[in-house]
Amino acid sequence: GENVEQHPSTLSVQEGDSAVIKCTYSDSASNYFPWYKQELGKGPQLIIDIRSNVGEKKDQRIAVTLNKTAKHFSLHITETQPEDSAVYFCAASPNQAGTALIFGKGTTLSVSS
Amino acid sequence: ETGVTQTPRHLVMGMTNKKSLKCEQHLGHNAMYWYKQSAKKPLELMFVYNFKEQTENNSVPSRFSPECPNSSHLFLHLHTLQPEDSALYLCASSQEGTGKETQYFGPGTRLLVL
Repeated sequence: GENVEQHPSTLSVQEGDSAVIKCTYSDSASNYFPWYKQELGKGPQLIIDIRSNVGEKKDQRIAVTLNKTAKHFSLHITETQPEDSAVYFCAASPNQAGTALIFGKGTTLSVSS
Repeated sequence: ETGVTQTPRHLVMGMTNKKSLKCEQHLGHNAMYWYKQSAKKPLELMFVYNFKEQTENNSVPSRFSPECPNSSHLFLHLHTLQPEDSALYLCASSQEGTGKETQYFGPGTRLLVL
């Protein structure tokens, strides 16, 4: 089955700096890769996702890159702000009906002002 | 109400109690999920319901019993739990078969077993 590794487990940056979180996956059949942000006391919220037919996707300060050959994908946050502080999870899925997501262990991002 | 809602938000129970967690999705989705989130561990899938039929059960102990009466509601019945079952229980839903099976999560129920 699929296995997703996520690094680092914690990340501290200064406001305005960039943050990068990396994930690797094991199942070459996986073709859908969402990223979730979880704030304290809330459930995970989807912030961006990418499919295997795309190498990069951007949404304002957030971007995701995918390297299918190496089986890794990354989340990039530019111009970080204190409200970006949260736990971020990557996930992978073969995106077949009824197949659930396999999540990484999460990265706790702290942005200090 | 919009999105995915869960009740109660917090629950404390003894090991001999019986309680139920409720999830409701207002997104018109046809698949619902229960996940367990423990500290320092990845989200663990517990159950999947697709079109009200259970399609996956990830070796979850029988003290957890799911129920899906319709595509909008999902329950998790709890009985004789152990302290190690204390965790955040998350419900999610998605629309399967559309090519965009993004899962949307509720806020979770924080469960403490004494």
